[in-house]
Amino acid sequence: AQSVTQLGSHVSVSEGALVLLRCNYSSSVPPYLFWYVQYPNQGLQLLLKYTSAATLVKGINGFEAEFKKSETSFHLTKPSAHMSDAAEYFCAVSAGGGNTPLVFGKGTRLSVIA
Amino acid sequence: GAVVSQHPSRVICKSGTSVKIECRSLDFQATTMFWYRQFPKQSLMLMATSNEGSKATYEQGVEKDKFLINHASLTLSTLTVTSAHPEDSSFYICSASPGNEQFFGPGTRLTVL
Repeated sequence: AQSVTQLGSHVSVSEGALVLLRCNYSSSVPPYLFWYVQYPNQGLQLLLKYTSAATLVKGINGFEAEFKKSETSFHLTKPSAHMSDAAEYFCAVSAGGGNTPLVFGKGTRLSVIA
Repeated sequence: GAVVSQHPSRVICKSGTSVKIECRSLDFQATTMFWYRQFPKQSLMLMATSNEGSKATYEQGVEKDKFLINHASLTLSTLTVTSAHPEDSSFYICSASPGNEQFFGPGTRLTVL
């Protein structure tokens, strides 16, 4: 069984500040981990994914995440927040490739203050 | 590439009617498609997994007679909400996979009056 816990349903940062969104996972098999962003009334856009290669994963829009097996974490970071980063962010885990369903966390809403 | 479309993007229907939502992979063949449901301000919950040419596999608690899924071709899956009720109002999102990654559609907002 797999599960994802996202700490903090709402995170607020100032424009230009560090963004840190936390994600912890549970998986009985080596996990595939994902971060998605969702803008209001839209689908999901993949930010980045971990598939057992490099533990530090770089994604789009300046985001990156580090897989830490010992901490069962996959936190998402961005050095400098931009107003356009305000959205809902979902961490997800799966047991394999694209034919395996994703288990999502509850999401974290990121607000960016000017 | 790897574009998934959904139609319609929004639908409003009366209670008791049926609504069909289409999910299409536009530039790849999808061996597997997934249907997720998202309640307001909540996460996505997997409803069912469908493989082309075979019956869908439903998650526990999802009524297969109410949410009919047809994956008739490698580029099209449909979700039909039968005898819709207000509690079926939700955001329905599909994803399609050519095998190595899932690509999500833009979602369909269903409102049942």
